Amino acid sequence: GQQLNQSPQSMFIQEGEDVSMNCTSSSIFNTWLWYKQEPGEGPVLLIALYKAGELTSNGRLTAQFGITRKDSFLNISASIPSDVGIYFCAGGIQGAQKLVFGQGTRLTINP
Amino acid sequence: DGGITQSPKYLFRKEGQNVTLSCEQNLNHDAMYWYRQDPGQGLRLIYYSQIVNDFQKGDIAEGYSVSREKKESFPLTVTSAQKNPTAFYLCASSIVQGAYNEQFFGPGTRLTVL
Repeated sequence: GQQLNQSPQSMFIQEGEDVSMNCTSSSIFNTWLWYKQEPGEGPVLLIALYKAGELTSNGRLTAQFGITRKDSFLNISASIPSDVGIYFCAGGIQGAQKLVFGQGTRLTINP
Repeated sequence: DGGITQSPKYLFRKEGQNVTLSCEQNLNHDAMYWYRQDPGQGLRLIYYSQIVNDFQKGDIAEGYSVSREKKESFPLTVTSAQKNPTAFYLCASSIVQGAYNEQFFGPGTRLTVL
């Protein structure tokens, strides 16, 4: 089946640093979604992208829908301790209700 | 408050017993989903339903069963046929509208089989 390659798998950074992670696929998607999951909780939707080339921000978070439709990027600026968690990308295809999820990027922040 | 509820938060069962996990939503969403998450892993789709009284198998349906008798409810039964049932189970819902794919998740149920 379709797979998403999410990288890096984990990140250890200092508070205040910027963070970048990405998701790539061999298949084209019409939708890219970014979720954050905290320990023992369900994922929370951060940003949804529906157009190739689209750049969308949500506070300190910025995500981009790659122009090839095969990738997406998430950046977090000036990280703070509450940014800790696992970030998942997900790709969707028009007309199909299923999403394909990446394996996640675990973000750890040293104060 | 609109949202998705899953109960219980933690569930313990003996090996060989069937167990049913609850998922309820009051978002008026047509579609509902069940995912399994193992430590350090992504989300794997078990079953999904786009409309009442209809559902489809996901990538790892073996050993699981579902029903969709009401729009608001999508319970998941983990049967004794599931070889490794200990995991974190997540329920999600979404509207069914063209290219709109946003899924919203419940808080999850952690199932431990002893």
